[in-house]
Amino acid sequence: SALTQPPSASGSPGQSVTISCTGTTSDIGLYDYVSWYQQYPGKAPKLIIFEVDKRPSGVPDRFSGSKSGNTASLTVAGLQDEDEADYFCGSYGGSNNRVFGTGTKVTVL
Amino acid sequence: QVNLVESGGGEVQPGRSLRLSCVASGFTFKSSNMHWIRQAPGKGLEWVGCVWYDGFTKYYADSVKGRAAISRDNSRNTLSLQMSGLRVEDTAVYFCAREVDTKMFFDYWGQGTLVTVSS
Repeated sequence: SALTQPPSASGSPGQSVTISCTGTTSDIGLYDYVSWYQQYPGKAPKLIIFEVDKRPSGVPDRFSGSKSGNTASLTVAGLQDEDEADYFCGSYGGSNNRVFGTGTKVTVL
Repeated sequence: QVNLVESGGGEVQPGRSLRLSCVASGFTFKSSNMHWIRQAPGKGLEWVGCVWYDGFTKYYADSVKGRAAISRDNSRNTLSLQMSGLRVEDTAVYFCAREVDTKMFFDYWGQGTLVTVSS
């Protein structure tokens, strides 16, 4: 089953927004293989967090990830206009499956 | 520069078949595990399946098992997805993506190709 994310989140420029991603004891709760992707309309997803809290080269440190139990979180600090996008979490689902979140649309007010 | 370019999408009737291709460049394709991931209009991402670097080990999502066949040609840096018995719910943008070292995340994505299943 898909991981559960809130449909939307918002914040004013400079503020922080945190997005949750809830799974189960068979995916997020069992493995430290949580990743996050940013997607602009009509574009391919872009990796912004891997292995729960690691950032690829070039991703601003305003983006951070964490995990507690069956829930992972992505925090975007110091919101900027260009952060307005869809965000998806991903995880290993066991048995050679991969599972993604339902997606969260972040709006910069 | 890394590039993944999908092709083969289009409109197809339910029950028919379609073959998607993904041509890779800019990284060592033959050493990379490759995946297909799809996104229905306005929806989230859904993992479809993968093929390991050697072309032999393959895994599929339950939603496409028995109807999807993933293959690769390392001599041509090409990944393929053959879908048969297409259903309306298979309508989506199909992305190919590279998995990093069996670490369960994807660093390179194509721009996607749209498959529309409609009568």
